[in-house]
Amino acid sequence: GAGVSQTPSNKVTEKGKYVELRCDPISGHTALYWYRQSLGQGPEFLIYFQGTGAADDSGLPNDRFFAVRPEGSVSTLKIQRTERGDSAVYLCASSRPAGAGGYTFGSGTRLTVV
Amino acid sequence: DQQVKQNSPSLSVQEGRISILNCDYTNSMFDYFLWYKKYPAEGPTFLISISSIKDKNEDGRFTVFLNKSAKHLSLHIVPSQPGDSAVYFCAASGTGGGATNKLIFGTGTLLAVQP
Repeated sequence: GAGVSQTPSNKVTEKGKYVELRCDPISGHTALYWYRQSLGQGPEFLIYFQGTGAADDSGLPNDRFFAVRPEGSVSTLKIQRTERGDSAVYLCASSRPAGAGGYTFGSGTRLTVV
Repeated sequence: DQQVKQNSPSLSVQEGRISILNCDYTNSMFDYFLWYKKYPAEGPTFLISISSIKDKNEDGRFTVFLNKSAKHLSLHIVPSQPGDSAVYFCAASGTGGGATNKLIFGTGTLLAVQP
């Protein structure tokens, strides 16, 4: 596609529920990233995929967070037993393997845990 | 511990004047720096980058300056236009991955360009 697509754009869920956030990267981009942006903060790195494998998951805050990219394209970020502190905008980005142009971000999914 | 700091949460300038956005970092291992612009309800958009081996990079109205000894970089926008009004994020990466490595972002500066 023309850009990075994230669905849903907004998600409200109850504390303790499970949520899945989807990211559809730019076609041909092998690198995919998930970031989280809380109010008043900059984006915070969560996980980076190169192809199908997670090359760096050091930013995942705890084992309630998990992400997959089974075919090297679409990725899903999964959050179990959501907590109110998980409320944030979850941003996905993709890029070619190397280059000076930075990432292309999607518009994000705003997650609200009530 | 904030490795990338943007100490000015907001900046207001007149249309046509220069906007200067500042960023400081603490990690001397960072080797690539980027600026992103973000409008409300949109994802950040890449603006300009600079490698640590350079001290200046220019792209149209946008110039980024890097002072490694001071661990400081700045983004100059001249002339500023009302459409430049947005939140600007400074970001840094290390370990040789360049602009496609994981990024550490600052907290952002809200720029308002007054017509």
